Amino acid sequence: KAGVTQTPRYLIKTRGQQVTLSCSPISGHRSVSWYQQTPGQGLQFLFEYFSETQRNKGNFPGRFSGRQFSNSRSEMNVSTLELGDSALYLCASSFEGLAGVRTDTQYFGPGTRLTVL
Amino acid sequence: QKEVEQNSGPLSVPEGAIASLNCTYSDRGSQSFFWYRQYSGKSPELIMSIYSNGDKEDGRFTAQLNKASQYVSLLIRDSQPSDSATYLCAVNLGYGGSQGNLIFGKGTKLSVKP
Repeated sequence: KAGVTQTPRYLIKTRGQQVTLSCSPISGHRSVSWYQQTPGQGLQFLFEYFSETQRNKGNFPGRFSGRQFSNSRSEMNVSTLELGDSALYLCASSFEGLAGVRTDTQYFGPGTRLTVL
Repeated sequence: QKEVEQNSGPLSVPEGAIASLNCTYSDRGSQSFFWYRQYSGKSPELIMSIYSNGDKEDGRFTAQLNKASQYVSLLIRDSQPSDSATYLCAVNLGYGGSQGNLIFGKGTKLSVKP
């Protein structure tokens, strides 16, 4: 079974621009979460989507947004980029099973390395 | 503020030794616990999940959970140079309605010397 894929893998932008990152979850996985990883802050949760709905959101400004499509693929968008947005952006998927079945294990994609100049 | 704390290391062990990695968490409501391994420049790779108090073994890896002490650990037996990586402890408050929110520690860097 193919893993989580993310595109693009590397991105260089300038301040003020906007960027869209894409994530395709493992086949059959309907929950997609996004994380930002920086050397100083570590891995921080951005948001989670399930069945095209944002189910949970981390403590990030409104410049960070996302969406999920009917095929479970997800995109995240960062508008008005700042230097501090330079980071590795990771997408993770998990299988949402029947109630009572523990399925919260998350599998990560390779990430998108965003550099803001 | 929900927090996960790990010793940043580096933790250095000789090849063949046991490496012990520790993690504490602040929220008593935490339900699920995970250990991920991350090589430099790569994404986190799941090593093990644990949900109940006690030990869980998988090959050379043993995870230990003590919910009363809010403590999770990972033991790596017969450590190999290929185990050299950063180990991330992650905690999830629950599952079902909000299962996609993992809180990560900042990781412990492990170095296994040949």
